[in-house]
Amino acid sequence: DTEVTQTPKHLVMGMTNKKSLKCEQHMGHRAMYWYKQKAKKPPELMFVYSYEKLSINESVPSRFSPECPNSSLLNLHLHALQPEDSALYLCASSHGSGTYNEQFFGPGTRLTVL
Amino acid sequence: DAKTTQPPSMDCAEGRAANLPCNHSTISGNEYVYWYRQIHSQGPQYIIHGLKNNETNEMASLIITEDRKSSTLILPHATLRDTAVYYCIVIGTGSARQLTFGSGTQLTVLP
Repeated sequence: DTEVTQTPKHLVMGMTNKKSLKCEQHMGHRAMYWYKQKAKKPPELMFVYSYEKLSINESVPSRFSPECPNSSLLNLHLHALQPEDSALYLCASSHGSGTYNEQFFGPGTRLTVL
Repeated sequence: DAKTTQPPSMDCAEGRAANLPCNHSTISGNEYVYWYRQIHSQGPQYIIHGLKNNETNEMASLIITEDRKSSTLILPHATLRDTAVYYCIVIGTGSARQLTFGSGTQLTVLP
């Protein structure tokens, strides 16, 4: 299984809602990532988890809260988002050790904040 | 990680080779060159990577100049499904390294 799955595929939420994005991989990877991609822009890193510990937080606002419950799962909890947070949210995973840095990406969750 | 420079767009005829250039003049000795592509509205897909030798896999070939300041990704027989944004990324060794995407090259394969 070389897939990274993300649910839901699409999400529409209001500014007062709380929702969560889910990412799952069963490749035994120990590094997992959240990226955000606005329309016609390249992906931008948000968070990196290495061995289930948060290792990089790219100054992301606290209304985005990541969680890594185990080595296969990565969640992104959303609360009090703004319309400008509308974007494609991409999850990725990689081996997490050694020099091999190939990252496998999921299809993304397209988020619309009303 | 070193910055990269790519042309914003390129066209290629279907069935011909697509040669996508990338400049990375500040690359360090232990940094790798990675190529990813992103087909519209999908997640990025890994293509190939290399350190200093030329590399080939089932998708593409990567040619890195001897001074390592530039590289070329070659898709030998481009198809319409190769239309995508191609990103050249330089990244160091070590685990859980973030990818810093530049603007990439929009490759359009024409019928």
